[in-house]
Amino acid sequence: NAGVTQTPKFRVLKTGQSMTLLCAQDMNHEYMYWYRQDPGMGLRLIHYSVGEGTTAKGEVPDGYNVSRLKKQNFLLGLESAAPSQTSVYFCASTIISDRGTEAFFGQGTRLTVV
Amino acid sequence: AQSVTQPDIHITVSEGASLELRCNYSYGATPYLFWYVQSPGQGLQLLLKYFSGDTLVQGIKGFEAEFKRSQSSFNLRKPSVHWSDAAEYFCATRGATNKLIFGTGTLLAVQP
Repeated sequence: NAGVTQTPKFRVLKTGQSMTLLCAQDMNHEYMYWYRQDPGMGLRLIHYSVGEGTTAKGEVPDGYNVSRLKKQNFLLGLESAAPSQTSVYFCASTIISDRGTEAFFGQGTRLTVV
Repeated sequence: AQSVTQPDIHITVSEGASLELRCNYSYGATPYLFWYVQSPGQGLQLLLKYFSGDTLVQGIKGFEAEFKRSQSSFNLRKPSVHWSDAAEYFCATRGATNKLIFGTGTLLAVQP
């Protein structure tokens, strides 16, 4: 049981380049989330999805797009990377309508934009 | 809006000493509260959670936390710290659509 898998684990981009981060979960979870982690700021929610075909903005959505075409996958896109998007990105998933259930996290993607 | 505050950015304790990491929440009703640990270069691992019932919650790795409504707190404790506990610790609460709202984290260093 792999849980939540993120690819790639590391990436260096030049300013203006685009890329897509993939999150895959094998737990049949309805809810999926993308967070970014920056020193001293904890984890901040970028976008999230409450089911296949649905997405919504989180706390810091600017400069990112997402898609949830399949229930098990949640993609995070950067159309034109900026140095301010240098961060560690975490994907998480959880089941629906059970607030006592914890979220499961991937191992993170460390992105550097130069 | 719901929020979580971790007032300590960095804490250093000696190995074998006791530990308490502070967490305060802002929410009118009974919150759903979590403590996660992140080792260097790793993802987040759940230590424990509270959503109802006994206010003293036991977790993995010998950690416990106590929910105190009167103080709006959910502090994490461990009676004797091991060097392997050095990590960053995050308190979180559950918001709408199950999204987690995190505190800014407390970095724990353990001295030999």
